[in-house]
Formats: sequence, C-alpha cells, structure tokens
Amino acid sequence: EVQLVESGGGLVQPGGSLGLSCAASGFTFSNYAMHWVRQAPGKGLEYISAVSSNGGSTYYANSVKGRFTISRDNAKNTLYLQMGSLRAEDMAVYYCARAECSGTRCYFDYWGQGSLVTVSS
Amino acid sequence: DIQMTQSPSSLSASVGDRVTITCRASQTISNYLNWYQQKPGKAPKLLIYAASSLQSGVPSRFSGSGSGTDFALTISSLQPEDFATYFCLQSYTTATWTFGQGTKVETK
Repeated sequence: EVQLVESGGGLVQPGGSLGLSCAASGFTFSNYAMHWVRQAPGKGLEYISAVSSNGGSTYYANSVKGRFTISRDNAKNTLYLQMGSLRAEDMAVYYCARAECSGTRCYFDYWGQGSLVTVSS
Repeated sequence: DIQMTQSPSSLSASVGDRVTITCRASQTISNYLNWYQQKPGKAPKLLIYAASSLQSGVPSRFSGSGSGTDFALTISSLQPEDFATYFCLQSYTTATWTFGQGTKVETK
C-alpha cells in the first residue's frame, strides 16, 4: 500500500524556519518525481515545489523561491521541504504528493495527510 | 504560467441533480487536466485524469470531458457523499502545474 506520511509542522514566528518531511512507503520512491502543495486556511490549493526522481532538478513557485528548499533522500525514501524567512501568508496545510506521469497523462495519485504550518508571533 | 479559471466557485444542488463544473485554461493544455474532490480536513482525492479517464474505484456517475482549453466535470446524479469541494489541476507544463480555484458543492 502506498503511503506518504508527513511530519514536522508546527508553530513558527515570522521570519523563522521550519522543516517538513514526507516518509514514503509501498512503492519505489526513487522512480517518482515528488511535489509539495499547500492550502491556506479556507483557501484553494497552491502548487509550490517539485523535485525530480533523482533529485537533480527542482522547481519552485515564485511565492516561495529563494526561501524554500526541496530535497529528497532516496536511500531513506524521504522527501523534505526546508522553509525559511516564513511569512504570515505561508501559513497553510502542506501536502506532499506523488506524481504519476506516463505518455499523455500526468497527475497526483497519492497525497500525504497534510502538515499544518502556523506562522504567528 | 498557465492560469486555470474554474466555475462556478460554489453551487447549491440536491441529491439526484446533475452537476457540471468547468475549467478553462489560459492556453491549450491538450488533455493534461485532472479533477480532484476534497472534503474538509482531508487530502484531495483523484477522480478523473487525462481529462476523461476515470480513476480506479471512483463511481461511474463522475465523468470528465474536454480538450485544449475547455474542460468539464459532470456528476450525473449527485449523491450525499458528493457534497465537497472540487478542483481541477493542469499538468501540461513541466513542474509548473496549476490548480483551479475550486468549486464548493453544497446542499440546496
């Protein structure tokens, strides 16, 4: 059974840093690109970051570029998101997601349970 | 970046109603369009991928259509468990995917 289990969320002051982890199991982690998506309270979904299957390529939305770092450890089957210079608008539930891409189809098929990041003084 | 315009933002419907939600892309995305259902406090659930393919385990009352820039999700006969928020997601551009704003389906 495919599982993505996130950890590391919590309360952080504006300007602070926080790291999230996403432990994967039930599939060959190193074969899949992985992504982070967030959802501010009562708002829609925002795609924020991606990393290729081997970790060699990364992508960031403009809203987090220069402040967040995505990485992965394929030996540990774990995805990471290091968040810095946090702002009130970064407060959200953060989801990790697996991307299934083949041919002309590409979609998130599995998601983590979500990890709440609260930015407040 | 490709923008996705989803409508309506909310709708009221009754059990048994036929419901249609649309998404329009700011440029052509072929059939790289996916639909998700989200319930409060839960992660999104994949319903439709590649515009019209039904994800395994999803009831056949859900269907997707469209190609290019205009897409639709239809629920043929709304069931009590279908009251939720629905999002479209375009996956055409490498690592710059974007979501629609969401449609909340509420009971009339």
